[in-house]
Amino acid sequence: GAVVSQHPSRVICKSGTSVKIECRSLDFQATTMFWYRQFPKKSLMLMATSNEGSKATYEQGVEKDKFLINHASLTLSTLTVTSAHPEDSSFYICSAGDTYNEQFFGPGTRLTVL
Amino acid sequence: EDQVTQSPEALRLQEGESSSLNCSYTVSGLRGLFWYRQDPGKGPEFLFTLYSAGEEKEKERLKATLTKKESFLHITAPKPEDSATYLCAARHRGGSNYKLTFGKGTLLTVNP
Repeated sequence: GAVVSQHPSRVICKSGTSVKIECRSLDFQATTMFWYRQFPKKSLMLMATSNEGSKATYEQGVEKDKFLINHASLTLSTLTVTSAHPEDSSFYICSAGDTYNEQFFGPGTRLTVL
Repeated sequence: EDQVTQSPEALRLQEGESSSLNCSYTVSGLRGLFWYRQDPGKGPEFLFTLYSAGEEKEKERLKATLTKKESFLHITAPKPEDSATYLCAARHRGGSNYKLTFGKGTLLTVNP
């Protein structure tokens, strides 16, 4: 299957700072990438759909000014958590599809906000 | 409201004891039912996609089936290394994009 990477895998930051998470499709081009958040023992919740060269589409209840998404190329999407607070601590996972039929996930980024 | 429900929440099996996991869905315009395996602290690993009722797919000890309302993941003679959380997700229209709605997962533990 296709490979999706994320960086960093873990990040700890102080409250009020911003954190950037990168998502890369390593062996295919992805016009669409997705960002999810997963709390302990909970399911993956879609945050936003990222389309290359255009603005991201955010799910209801997700603040677009807090979670900035940039999809600058066909292999890279970034999620920036601005002015992070402890309640933003979570497992953030991106995914990308190489065809219309499959969607591959990155290994996730564990964010801890102190 | 688009919904995906998985049962049971947790399942403990002895090695070699076959069983099935259930995923029922209520979504508008299904465009694929996905199964993933997720290990702790990792992203989901793709297993199967099913598109139409009656379709079946197999991979080693796993077989996924689909009806108009639900999907089953059958595990035949499981081994301890099959222990993981199994997630199902329904792809459907969400605004201008297709998106995946996930169930909460079934935590499978296979004891040696």
